[in-house]
Amino acid sequence: AQSVTQLDSHVSVSEGTPVLLRCNYSSSYSPSLFWYVQHPNKGLQLLLKYTSAATLVKGINGFEAEFKKSETSFHLTKPSAHMSDAAEYFCVVSETSNDMRFGAGTRLTVKP
Amino acid sequence: DSGVTQTPKHLITATGQRVTLRCSPRSGDLSVYWYQQSLDQGLQFLIQYYNGEERAKGNILERFSAQQFPDLHSELNLSSLELGDSALYFCASSATGGAGSGANVLTFGAGSRLTVL
Repeated sequence: AQSVTQLDSHVSVSEGTPVLLRCNYSSSYSPSLFWYVQHPNKGLQLLLKYTSAATLVKGINGFEAEFKKSETSFHLTKPSAHMSDAAEYFCVVSETSNDMRFGAGTRLTVKP
Repeated sequence: DSGVTQTPKHLITATGQRVTLRCSPRSGDLSVYWYQQSLDQGLQFLIQYYNGEERAKGNILERFSAQQFPDLHSELNLSSLELGDSALYFCASSATGGAGSGANVLTFGAGSRLTVL
């Protein structure tokens, strides 16, 4: 069975500093992995996805994530945080279209 | 605008009542998914429909039901409402989602916030 663990429920960074949101997964197969972002009172928006192509995936708004099979990780990073990055971030693992597991979410706070 | 339309945006009702939430998927998408997001449970998958037929069921209560119509819009019916049903209900759509299909990108609507008093 597949599962996903977001290691931090809350991350706080200063504007202009790097962002690291951690995600570990468990899967019996070669899963697809996603990061979604949810801004306050908004729906979830796809940031990026990994589907067994390049292990370093670039997404929107300067975010990227690296798939590390040996560590079963898919951490999300950004070199320099912006105030508009403050949001909730969800890591998702999926083996099939009808079985997507969402992590509990990481709330990112960006301080001026 | 994601292309997935949910109505109503906000709904306040009383315990024991019944409500219907509506979702129009993005143009061309055949699958509709319903999720419930609450503070204590996080994002929970409820049910998926593909081209009018139920494809997968998650943590959906028996008091809840859904359907997808021939024009592909979907409705989620919540009955005998309890205080604990207060949550944000999201609809998402994807292009495929039929049997044997791989992981899909979901496009989410803005959600319907249900408050049960």
